[in-house]
Amino acid sequence: QQQVKQSPQSLIVQKGGISIINCAYENTAFDYFPWYQQFPGKGPALLIAIRPDVSEKKEGRFTISFNKSAKQFSLHIMDSQPGDSATYFCATGSGAGSYQLTFGKGTKLSVIP
Amino acid sequence: DVKVTQSSRYLVKRTGEKVFLECVQDMDHENMFWYRQDPGLGLRLIYFSYDVKMKEKGDIPEGYSVSREKKERFSLILESASTNQTSMYLCASSPTTVPTQVGGYTFGSGTRLTVV
Repeated sequence: QQQVKQSPQSLIVQKGGISIINCAYENTAFDYFPWYQQFPGKGPALLIAIRPDVSEKKEGRFTISFNKSAKQFSLHIMDSQPGDSATYFCATGSGAGSYQLTFGKGTKLSVIP
Repeated sequence: DVKVTQSSRYLVKRTGEKVFLECVQDMDHENMFWYRQDPGLGLRLIYFSYDVKMKEKGDIPEGYSVSREKKERFSLILESASTNQTSMYLCASSPTTVPTQVGGYTFGSGTRLTVV
């Protein structure tokens, strides 16, 4: 089983600060790198995703940075808000007939006022 | 609004009982998945199915089985529930051509199972 290593396990950020969550992967065949957001009592939902042909993707306050040579990608949440408090999972996927995503272990983000 | 529906939000079962967790999706997706989620361990794949009557073992299939008789429904079965199967169980679906496009997996809200 290919691993995706996610860090930190938990993160506390003050309102207005920047939250950064990192993931590292092993398999260079991966070509899809999504982040999922999970609120308590809910299932994970797709937040943002990137393919390896770009180094950065931004959607509102959320940005994925991708470093193909280092096999790492990260989620940056700018101007973090208490409503961003959730568990975040990175994942990796490979096309060409593969049906599965491999998930990191998750990061619990708490944004304090 | 497309969705994945899990039949129960909370279940309490006794050790040794046979437990059925049901999942239904209305998106005509080919692929369906069962994960369990435990603190510090993330999402661990139990079983998945890429077609009706087809199933594949995931990373932790021991103690579980699945059934997919119809495209929209994927059931997880705990043959003889044990306390170490107390967990949050999440069902997900995705279309065959995708898991890797925007949209990827759609998850249900989960079933929190407690085995006593």
